[in-house]
Amino acid sequence: RKEVEQDPGPFNVPEGATVAFNCTYSNSASQSFFWYRQDCRKEPKLLMSVYSSGNEDGRFTAQLNRASQYISLLIRDSKLSDSATYLCVVNRAGGFKTIFGAGTRLFVKA
Amino acid sequence: GAVVSQHPSWVICKSGTSVKIECRSLDFQATTMFWYRQFPKQSLMLMATSNEGSKATYEQGVEKDKFLINHASLTLSTLTVTSAHPEDSSFYICSAREVSGAGNTIYFGEGSWLTVV
Repeated sequence: RKEVEQDPGPFNVPEGATVAFNCTYSNSASQSFFWYRQDCRKEPKLLMSVYSSGNEDGRFTAQLNRASQYISLLIRDSKLSDSATYLCVVNRAGGFKTIFGAGTRLFVKA
Repeated sequence: GAVVSQHPSWVICKSGTSVKIECRSLDFQATTMFWYRQFPKQSLMLMATSNEGSKATYEQGVEKDKFLINHASLTLSTLTVTSAHPEDSSFYICSAREVSGAGNTIYFGEGSWLTVV
């Protein structure tokens, strides 16, 4: 079983739609959690951290459920520019190794 | 903000030769850096953790004699792909961990495209 698992998609949605991505992690000792965005042939860029209390940044909302070892990302009012691959990222406790999920591809269409 | 720079961005080399990729933290000291590779349409795979002043820690299945990592200073880690083969062609990305009062933040380099012909 992979340490971080995501639905690879692709998700094809129209502009203005709401889309949700899910992610599960297997190591219960994982310490911190993030969503990254990666555009084609570019390096990943931090989208947002994920906190147990849930956090929101504009149209993006992230949730963490430690008991279920589950992370989610909700995108509201999708824009064409949101088309990218979204990576669920988990930092292992102690060594701070960063483990990436396989990514979920999103295509937002006009 | 903090910046991590990789060089070169693109490199083409012949089979059997060695290629060095540099990863530099430009405005912070990074005791720990990480090296990843990414094949087309696949996720980033952690190759190794680079520790300043000590040996790198390699992930299972990664050949340490083939992928040499040196982290000689607090701002520079290098990855050398030795005796490169076409199957080593990939996107290599480094990241560096900045430790500050606000906690730990990971910054990524821009990545290096390696093509072995």
